[in-house]
Amino acid sequence: EVQLVESGGGLIQPGGSLRLSCAASGFTVSSNYMSWVRQAPGKGLEWVSVIYSGGSTYYADSVKGRFTISRDNSKNTLYLQMNSLRAEDTAVYYCARGVVAVDYWGQGTLVTVSS
Amino acid sequence: NFMLTQPHSVSESPGKTVTISCTRSSGSIASNYVQWYQQRPGSAPTTVIYEDNQRPSGVPDRFSGSIDSSSNSASLTISGLKTEDEADYYCQSYDSSIVFGGGTKLTVL
Repeated sequence: EVQLVESGGGLIQPGGSLRLSCAASGFTVSSNYMSWVRQAPGKGLEWVSVIYSGGSTYYADSVKGRFTISRDNSKNTLYLQMNSLRAEDTAVYYCARGVVAVDYWGQGTLVTVSS
Repeated sequence: NFMLTQPHSVSESPGKTVTISCTRSSGSIASNYVQWYQQRPGSAPTTVIYEDNQRPSGVPDRFSGSIDSSSNSASLTISGLKTEDEADYYCQSYDSSIVFGGGTKLTVL
């Protein structure tokens, strides 16, 4: 059974850093395209980043230069390193298998950026 | 980049049919596949349509997707509405980036 379990969210001050993790089971992260998608409170979905099976990475303009997506093949885990966090980064962050057509989503982890 | 515009909300009665539109602002809707995601309150999204009109296993055939090049839009149609279909629905497509529509709240009453 495919499962994606995010962790690492929490309350962080503006300018701070946080690393989100997404532990995958039932498939191999490195063989798939993996994405992060976020949803601000009461708002719609926003694509954040993708890592392709070959290792190429891409980012939304809103996070480029501040966020880094990566994976640990030995742990079958996806990460999102978030630096220089802003209030507008407050959202539930979902990891997802796929990029254009997502077939599995995690349950999400809430990141709150506030002083 | 382009935008995907959806109606903010739609409502219909149980047993009826509803169609949610998704209009692409620039570039052809037929150039890149459209996906549709359902998000029930308090839950993560799930995929109900991918590649314009394909249903994942487990999604009932009451859900169907289509594209219309003349209006440059995609549509999600749900027939035989059930109360459990009440949710937010998001369309998604791409070109140089991944774009989501703003979402449509479906009320079944």
